[in-house]
Amino acid sequence: QKEVEQNSGPLSVPEGAIASLNCTYSDRVSQSFFWYRQYSGKSPELIMSIYSNGDKEDGRFTAQLNKASQYVSLLIRDSQPSDSATYLCAAAARDTGRRALTFGSGTRLQVQP
Amino acid sequence: DGGITQSPKYLFRKEGQNVTLSCEQNLNHDAMYWYRQDPGQGLRLIYYSQIVNDFQKGDIAEGYSVSREKKESFPLTVTSAQKNPTAFYLCASSIGTEAFFGQGTRLTVV
Repeated sequence: QKEVEQNSGPLSVPEGAIASLNCTYSDRVSQSFFWYRQYSGKSPELIMSIYSNGDKEDGRFTAQLNKASQYVSLLIRDSQPSDSATYLCAAAARDTGRRALTFGSGTRLQVQP
Repeated sequence: DGGITQSPKYLFRKEGQNVTLSCEQNLNHDAMYWYRQDPGQGLRLIYYSQIVNDFQKGDIAEGYSVSREKKESFPLTVTSAQKNPTAFYLCASSIGTEAFFGQGTRLTVV
């Protein structure tokens, strides 16, 4: 099993809908999780971090962490065409000697006008 | 402005050449990282450094080398031993586990 797994998509949603992006992880990564947005040809941009079980909201974005199911998700409310990008899920290694993040392969989101 | 600067933005390498990618940060972050991204894939860790004068291999270090002589700088050399170097290279720095990226260098072998 890969340490961090995502469905590659594309996930297509109409403008104004809720986009739901999902990520599962293995025991080798810790409980610290991050969502990055990457536009085509650009570098990743950190949009959300979540460290404890439950929900964390920031504007139109909500990150959800379920430790029992080893599952983390990102909800985007009122999706806009400008949200069309690849969303990368990342996790910190459980081995604290290695602080570098492990990334999933990303989910491409397309918001249809 | 605080940030992470990578240069050049585009780099072309001939077969058998070594090339060095620059990464500079003025965020006063202790940790710095190099990742490689291939089309349609996530980021893979090449090297990372948590303090000056110390660095560790990541998952795909073969064919690459780094140095960390200053806190602000973490250059990556792609050597001729790297057989498939064409990729998008991303440098990052972090405070705690939240990492922030430079704009990337796109390396192409010609």
